[in-house]
Amino acid sequence: SQQGEEDPQALSIQEGENATMNCSYKTSINNLQWYRQNSGRGLVHLILIRSNEREKHSGRLRVTLDTSKKSSSLLITASRAADTASYFCATDASNAGGTSYGKLTFGQGTILTVHP
Amino acid sequence: EAGVAQSPRYKIIEKRQSVAFWCNPISGHATLYWYQQILGQGPKLLIQFQNNGVVDDSQLPKDRFSAERLKGVDSTLKIQPAKLEDSAVYLCASSLGRGRGIYTGELFFGEGSRLTVL
Repeated sequence: SQQGEEDPQALSIQEGENATMNCSYKTSINNLQWYRQNSGRGLVHLILIRSNEREKHSGRLRVTLDTSKKSSSLLITASRAADTASYFCATDASNAGGTSYGKLTFGQGTILTVHP
Repeated sequence: EAGVAQSPRYKIIEKRQSVAFWCNPISGHATLYWYQQILGQGPKLLIQFQNNGVVDDSQLPKDRFSAERLKGVDSTLKIQPAKLEDSAVYLCASSLGRGRGIYTGELFFGEGSRLTVL
């Protein structure tokens, strides 16, 4: 079953604008990760945020986590055409609060299109 | 460092035929995963190995799917007999796992094997 649910399902913006994608999940987690997938390719890891963290940055990416609301958001600032891809959140709920064994459950994804 | 290798990239078969996919993880990665990704959906975990032992295969349709990871390195996923609904991309991923006492949580994915069942 899908643990994470992304919102929106599709997002279309102009180059230079910011893109925000949201993810909601149902159970307690050990960590939450975001991945990108270009068309016809494998997934690429973007960022991981642990359950005791609230915000994390990596380059143009900013991820927040609200465990009380069981939700996360991914913000891509100053988007580029090359950011066009599907973005997935993945939750690691394996032994939440204890020692994770790395089982990830992915959401349905958000399709981001950045127009030049 | 070489990434996760998968083959074949594409496979077309008739229903009821069999197919096998191969995966070679990143050297030193103890954990190996097989995911199924149906068009328009997120990846769904089929099976997770830690070294050559199975950690989780709760979503593997065991009547037709099998997977092995002999010697704790490369892995094969087999489907026999295939059904129309098995058309999907089969993604292999690996991670450091806890084999070296390190857990980063990050999964490294291969390019996937796209299966079309006619």
